[in-house]
Amino acid sequence: EIVLTQSPGTLSLSPGERATLSCRASQSVSSSDLAWYQQKPGQAPRLLIYGASSRATGIPDRFSGSGSGTDFTLTISRLEPEDFAVYYCQQYGSSPLYTFGQGTNLEIK
Amino acid sequence: QVQLQESGPGLVKPSGTLSLTCAVSGGSITSGNWWSWVRQPPGKGLEWIGEMHHGGGTNYNPSLKSRITISVDKSKNQFSLQLSSVTAADTAVYYCARNGRHVLDYWGQGTLVTVSS
Repeated sequence: EIVLTQSPGTLSLSPGERATLSCRASQSVSSSDLAWYQQKPGQAPRLLIYGASSRATGIPDRFSGSGSGTDFTLTISRLEPEDFAVYYCQQYGSSPLYTFGQGTNLEIK
Repeated sequence: QVQLQESGPGLVKPSGTLSLTCAVSGGSITSGNWWSWVRQPPGKGLEWIGEMHHGGGTNYNPSLKSRITISVDKSKNQFSLQLSSVTAADTAVYYCARNGRHVLDYWGQGTLVTVSS
């Protein structure tokens, strides 16, 4: 099983700042099989990024993804108040088919 | 736009069977997509449970495989989850979702299932 480790566990920033979230895989992951989700309290996760760097439909361009192999990054260029949430990375392909990181809680400083 | 809605009992007794249904609207369950169940214990992260295809194929999380059945009802455009021999550790919000290309692109709102006597 591929384990995804996200860091930091909690990130405290202010609106307007830049956020950098990390996802590290225990084995190499194909870039086409790495995704990011946003989850707000009481809501279902929302797909943000697929294929490591492609934005899902309707996702603002302040969200960007990058990385390859075992190291992937989600960057939010300028934080808006609605961006404070928990973010999960997800990989596809290794048994179990879908695995998620433990999440990064992006909170308002 | 595809919409998914989970339904089922919110309380299940220990050793019993959890049964949930996911109704799909705005699209057909026979569209070619796979369809998944994901759960999230209170205050914790996401765990993929398994997936199904309308043609009958299924894939399950090995950690739950012995207790899971995911099935489809094409006439009602819905799919279902059964999880047997539940314990308190199965208490979670259960989500159904549509599989896109190696991602989960549409999600239901989730339903909390509590295992307690």
